Amino acid sequence: DQQVKQNSPSLSVQEGRISILNCDYTNSMFDYFLWYKKYPAEGPTFLISISSIKDKNEDGRFTVFLNKSAKHLSLHIVPSQPGDSAVYFCAAYYFGNEKLTFGTGTRLTIIP
Amino acid sequence: DAGVIQSPRHEVTEMGQEVTLRCKPISGHNSLFWYRQTMMRGLELLIYFNNNVPIDDSGMPEDRFSAKMPNASFSTLKIQPSEPRDSAVYFCASSYRDRDTGELFFGEGSRLTVL
Repeated sequence: DQQVKQNSPSLSVQEGRISILNCDYTNSMFDYFLWYKKYPAEGPTFLISISSIKDKNEDGRFTVFLNKSAKHLSLHIVPSQPGDSAVYFCAAYYFGNEKLTFGTGTRLTIIP
Repeated sequence: DAGVIQSPRHEVTEMGQEVTLRCKPISGHNSLFWYRQTMMRGLELLIYFNNNVPIDDSGMPEDRFSAKMPNASFSTLKIQPSEPRDSAVYFCASSYRDRDTGELFFGEGSRLTVL
């Protein structure tokens, strides 16, 4: 039962343009949503998060949008840079349950 | 500050052999998680500990898998006997439980290949 889904396994974007990564979830109990970034041969690193009571959170070039009615969130990267090429994982969490549930990841490739 | 430390980084073994993966969490963190990364399932949680006590092991695939946390600074994940389908990257992560954002800190992973 995949509670967090990333339906696009890969995405290619031109440098300088906007990258949009999508994530859907099925469990309405989730309280927090997180995005992690993973380079080859490294562990995932935290990128940005959003509380379920908000619909937007911004940190520099990264913005996460949450649409609770659609059970959908997205990560926007503007402008995209070559160093953004990585696998991005969406994850979700709810209070009282320490587990982070991850999606399958989206490989983002920024084309110079 | 040292992050989560995992060993070995790479392990190649033959089917039927015992494999032991090791993890040292970040000092002061009281929750520890073992994840496995595969192409098909992404990052799936195998087991997690809080204050050295296993809380949820529902993700452990079979009895061949076992995990221990004898103290706050060390955990092992053991596979016995190993099978080719266990080939994956295994990640250890830690956190401080009272964080309300769910953020975990990951090690660099142990890549296991079972021939």
